[in-house]
Amino acid sequence: GDSVTQMEGPVTLSEEAFLTINCTYTATGYPSLFWYVQYPGEGLQLLLKATKADDKGSNKGFEATYRKETTSFHLEKGSVQVSDSAVYFCALSYTGNQFYFGTGTSLTVIP
Amino acid sequence: ETGVTQSPTHLIKTRGQQVTLRCSSQSGHNTVSWYQQALGQGPQFIFQYYREEENGRGNFPPRFSGLQFPNYSSELNVNALELDDSALYLCASSLGSGGFGEKLFFGSGTQLSVL
Repeated sequence: GDSVTQMEGPVTLSEEAFLTINCTYTATGYPSLFWYVQYPGEGLQLLLKATKADDKGSNKGFEATYRKETTSFHLEKGSVQVSDSAVYFCALSYTGNQFYFGTGTSLTVIP
Repeated sequence: ETGVTQSPTHLIKTRGQQVTLRCSSQSGHNTVSWYQQALGQGPQFIFQYYREEENGRGNFPPRFSGLQFPNYSSELNVNALELDDSALYLCASSLGSGGFGEKLFFGSGTQLSVL
């Protein structure tokens, strides 16, 4: 079946450090891939997406590239800020009808 | 534009009871999806409603049911509550029922505790 596996957290980084959150997927077809972010006390928000292989999604300094050969969609940011502290969810969807989410990775950035 | 609002924010029920959770979709959105997020887990798809019809269902038993109203707001009903139903229930709205890269707008959720 279809599923998403994320690196386990929590992750703690100092401000301005480089961030990588690993995400791999198992899919029976060719889904779109997403990163959602959940800030404390708020609902999930779309961070970025990629709809086909080799596409790169980017937003707010975050990037992720859809790698079909490694079935991965790792999230990266070159220099994290305290305000990036949140829980990050990787997800896949074929049609927007149903999303498959990973278990989430908690990120804490300390000054 | 208004966001997705859910009510109540917290709820405590006992095993065997029934519960109704409510969701108002974002203005202009005609599709509502419901997800269950257990502690430490990612959201799991329960079902989706598009123009008042169920349009896809995840691996949840029939005691999980829903409704969508003409104004596109929605209810999630759970009968015969079990302890394992304790979770955060998320509602998400979108425009349209599908299409690659569909963007969901999530509410903050209803935290249900079953004792």
